[in-house]
Amino acid sequence: SYVLTQPPSLSVAPGKTASITCGGNNIGSKSVHWYQQRPGQAPVLVVYYDNDRPSGIPERFSGSNSGNTATLTISTVEAGDEADYYCQVWDSSSDDVVFGGGTRLTVL
Amino acid sequence: QVKLQESGPGLVRPSETLSLTCTVSGGSVSSDIHYWGWIRQPPGKGLEWIGNIYSRGTTNYNTSLKSRVTISIDTSRNQFSLRVTSVTAADTALYYCARLLNLGSGWTLDYWGQGTLVTVSS
Repeated sequence: SYVLTQPPSLSVAPGKTASITCGGNNIGSKSVHWYQQRPGQAPVLVVYYDNDRPSGIPERFSGSNSGNTATLTISTVEAGDEADYYCQVWDSSSDDVVFGGGTRLTVL
Repeated sequence: QVKLQESGPGLVRPSETLSLTCTVSGGSVSSDIHYWGWIRQPPGKGLEWIGNIYSRGTTNYNTSLKSRVTISIDTSRNQFSLRVTSVTAADTALYYCARLLNLGSGWTLDYWGQGTLVTVSS
């Protein structure tokens, strides 16, 4: 089965840029989606199809995907961005939805 | 605005069957372009996909859970449901329902319910 690997944690100072990675075998050939989960809340889609944003998501959230790594970039980080972030793909060979293990973003 | 709401017992005995329902408002489970799915999250852990269903009844399940999981759909009530048989403590989790969208290159989950906690304990 397809495996997505994320760093467990990342700490960033307010106003700086956070880059959260998601590794997978030839992930650049797949579409990657990113979810934000604030404490005690349900996940929210923040980036889909590599670099599109749903309505209402700030432009500070962007994504890229190439080779074996996809990246969620959050520019000008705010305290409200503190959350767990999950990447997700659809594995066409197994028809499975696959999630990464999640990255906890801490705003210092 | 699409809304999804999970409902069902919060406590299930070991070896029994977990049953949850997701009620959809602001959208239709009969949609031609959406699937409907279940995801769970054990306390303090990450997200695990359980399975999906299409309005015509086509299903797809996580291989690791396939033998114990059934997802069904009731278009007349605009609901879909989850059953997990022979539950153990390992099935204790927050259970989420979600809408899945495919724009041509894979599924994304664009709307989620608030989740419901199911505890397996005697």
